[in-house]
Amino acid sequence: DAKTTQPPSMDCAEGRAANLPCNHSTISGNEYVYWYRQIHSQGPQYIIHGLKNNETNEMASLIITEDRKSSTLILPHATLRDTAVYYCIVRVDSGSARQLTFGSGTQLTVLP
Amino acid sequence: NAGVTQTPKFQVLKTGQSMTLQCAQDMNHEYMSWYRQDPGMGLRLIHYSVGAGITDQGEVPNGYNVSRSTTEDFPLRLLSAAPSQTSVYFCASSSDRGRNEKLFFGSGTQLSVL
Repeated sequence: DAKTTQPPSMDCAEGRAANLPCNHSTISGNEYVYWYRQIHSQGPQYIIHGLKNNETNEMASLIITEDRKSSTLILPHATLRDTAVYYCIVRVDSGSARQLTFGSGTQLTVLP
Repeated sequence: NAGVTQTPKFQVLKTGQSMTLQCAQDMNHEYMSWYRQDPGMGLRLIHYSVGAGITDQGEVPNGYNVSRSTTEDFPLRLLSAAPSQTSVYFCASSSDRGRNEKLFFGSGTQLSVL
């Protein structure tokens, strides 16, 4: 299973872009990179996912390097409500089990 | 828009007691799963179901049972609670098993076993 490595914590000023890095050097060619976040012990919330192309939606942008060994989640204009733990996950298909292996994530604190 | 509903939100049990954590979704999703989250750790998969009548084990299934008699409901049963099962439990569902899969999570059940 491909594993991910994220910094344990980051700070970001309100209104600035938050860039959250993730390393997944053992990722396989058909594995997707997913990002979820968890706000204060609520259930995790889906943010974005991608395979090899950069992706953008209303919440964030995902930049995946050409070799796919790392990616960056970008929150373009961070707000205080973006303070959360952000999980970078490589989706593993185990037979019919679509397991999402959650690591310990990055605690993002948006500062006023 | 209820989404994924979990009950109860909080529960305290004594060692050896049994109980059922309820999970219901109103999105007609085929895939449902249960995770547990221990302090400072990520989520670990307990059991999952790919449709009514079909269940299977995840990473940490011991001490838990599940059943899926309807598409909407996926209860998690603790047969004989142990202190090691003190945790926050999350139920999740999704519809698409392909490239656009997104998991929707409930708000969690905080369980303490004394």
